[in-house]
Amino acid sequence: DAGITQSPRHKVTETGTPVTLRCHQTENHRYMYWYRQDPGHGLRLIHYSYGVKDTDKGEVSDGYSVSRSKTEDFLLTLESATSSQTSVYFCAISEFQGAIYNEQFFGPGTRLTVL
Amino acid sequence: GIQVEQSPPDLILQEGANSTLRCNFSDSVNNLQWFHQNPWGQLINLFYIPSGTKQNGRLSATTVATERYSLLYISSSQTTDSGVYFCAVRSNFGNEKLTFGTGTRLTIIP
Repeated sequence: DAGITQSPRHKVTETGTPVTLRCHQTENHRYMYWYRQDPGHGLRLIHYSYGVKDTDKGEVSDGYSVSRSKTEDFLLTLESATSSQTSVYFCAISEFQGAIYNEQFFGPGTRLTVL
Repeated sequence: GIQVEQSPPDLILQEGANSTLRCNFSDSVNNLQWFHQNPWGQLINLFYIPSGTKQNGRLSATTVATERYSLLYISSSQTTDSGVYFCAVRSNFGNEKLTFGTGTRLTIIP
């Protein structure tokens, strides 16, 4: 199994509070991703990183920011949580070698509830 | 962007039965993956298969990239096969993201 951990695994918070989710990998992969999973939508990309301090937006990035100061850690921050951000958040990693996009591996997920 | 459709949306089978899950996509891809999300929510990689055929035990997958579809075969189903199966693709013309289908929910009855 790919070495990916997420913390916390569960969190309940109130509207308007800041929240930071952490993804940690031990695989030294260059690419890291944050997805959210909601009923009826499958998984959707929030942000991704292609190296330390290199990040880009996904399709549902509004209200989220990310940071990557080390290869192994990718942080997702909700500056001011809203009820619409209640979801399950998955981190993923992959490597890119030459012209080949390698497969993505997913962490165990974080269930976030915003009251 | 690329569209991914999975069928059927739901499937209920008796233990021991065989099944075929289908994934259609609307554009050329350089990555296609099949995942199993178990009842505990964990996403398990089944196949990385942008083209061709692969087999792993009772599971096999075929992707016909030129016709823009992939099939996942499950033989001799077991109750542990229950869960949601996702197909995800990366478009040749998109960014780094995987685009997921909405999944097939498989329920295996003992």
